[in-house]
Amino acid sequence: SQQGEEDPQALSIQEGENATMNCSYKTSINNLQWYRQNSGRGLVHLILIRSNEREKHSGRLRVTLDTSKKSSSLLITASRAADTASYFCAPDQTGANNLFFGTGTRLTVIP
Amino acid sequence: NAGVMQNPRHLVRRRGQEARLRCSPMKGHSHVYWYRQLPEEGLKFMVYLQKENIIDESGMPKERFSAEFPKEGPSILRIQQVVRGDSAAYFCASSSGQGVYEQYFGPGTRLTVT
Repeated sequence: SQQGEEDPQALSIQEGENATMNCSYKTSINNLQWYRQNSGRGLVHLILIRSNEREKHSGRLRVTLDTSKKSSSLLITASRAADTASYFCAPDQTGANNLFFGTGTRLTVIP
Repeated sequence: NAGVMQNPRHLVRRRGQEARLRCSPMKGHSHVYWYRQLPEEGLKFMVYLQKENIIDESGMPKERFSAEFPKEGPSILRIQQVVRGDSAAYFCASSSGQGVYEQYFGPGTRLTVT
């Protein structure tokens, strides 16, 4: 499969806790991107990590990439109710013209 | 700086009618992608276009679906003779280049075929 596979499929946490989502893929990549989708809305780009990077931070987001294991993780620290959304990883496959999305992790943050 | 615009936001068509979905990319972006999302699923790539050229249509159904991105005006995704299985959310994204570039998504068009 060319797409990223997110794990878990659903995650429910209390506000203030950290949320960790994982992504696995099977091909070589140029970069890997994470997106968020609120219910009924379009996707919002969160962060892009290049294949030669191992870790990247953006505000409360921390993304790691292990190309040897073909996996990535997204950590959201000090979660808020507004973080409730579906999160998708999208490996930018070498030579491909588009992104391949999995089915996402549905995060629910309980106030 | 307006983001990616899509219209209409909601579209209802009867079986057999035609659906036209429009996408205006972000200013300065010349790369447009169309994706389809079925309920509870991720986005599936359909087609990638640059101005006046279809670069990759490997995700497009062979029949009834077509896309264009003319020199002037928005990109159009056209679905002829719609069937109930075409009901989905259709998202357009744009980028400033190919490769290591993030894609910016529009709000989507929700097509319902009755």
